[in-house]
Amino acid sequence: DGGITQSPKYLFRKEGQNVTLSCEQNLNHDAMYWYRQDPGQGLRLIYYSQIVNDFQKGDIAEGYSVSREKKESFPLTVTSAQKNPTAFYLCASSLGVGTNEKLFFGSGTQLSVL
Amino acid sequence: SQKIEQNSEALNIQEGKTATLTCNYTNYSPAYLQWYRQDPGRGPVFLLLIRENEKEKRKERLKVTFDTTLKQSLFHITASQPADSATYLCALDYAGNTPLVFGKGTRLSVIA
Repeated sequence: DGGITQSPKYLFRKEGQNVTLSCEQNLNHDAMYWYRQDPGQGLRLIYYSQIVNDFQKGDIAEGYSVSREKKESFPLTVTSAQKNPTAFYLCASSLGVGTNEKLFFGSGTQLSVL
Repeated sequence: SQKIEQNSEALNIQEGKTATLTCNYTNYSPAYLQWYRQDPGRGPVFLLLIRENEKEKRKERLKVTFDTTLKQSLFHITASQPADSATYLCALDYAGNTPLVFGKGTRLSVIA
């Protein structure tokens, strides 16, 4: 089955800890994205990548880091600098950025602070 | 900066009626506009895309309109069913290597 897989479904972070959220796709898409969703806030873009070994900051990149070493994978690290990390995190992919292509989303990771 | 407004946070409607959701934006018009459905605890799923030179697009019970003069898109679900209950998100696509910009969504509840 083709699609995007996010793991884990639920994640808990202790104060001062970095945590990494996994995102893998087998759709052969060039572009991948990370969004954060808070209740009543809609989707806010954290980072996106148009191609391997390249990525750009979105609207709320502070306290987060990403890498794109493989086309299939775009992990997101929530660092200890992110003071309010509790949210629902969504990974997505598309054929390209700004090419009127639809986004395919994963099922999300709910991150909570202990 | 671009601002997107979806008419309300929540909309309740009786089964069988037509649900109409609104997406308004400020400033310059996008090249395309997309609509997504999101169920609780799940990722959004693409529904429809409409281009700026298209007035209307249909898919089964769904209809989307795009009015660049009013800077507005309307999303209609005819003969609504309880299974249509979900949050619906509009997204602006400006093309040219710019990621989609999402609205906050409207939570639709269809009551039997």
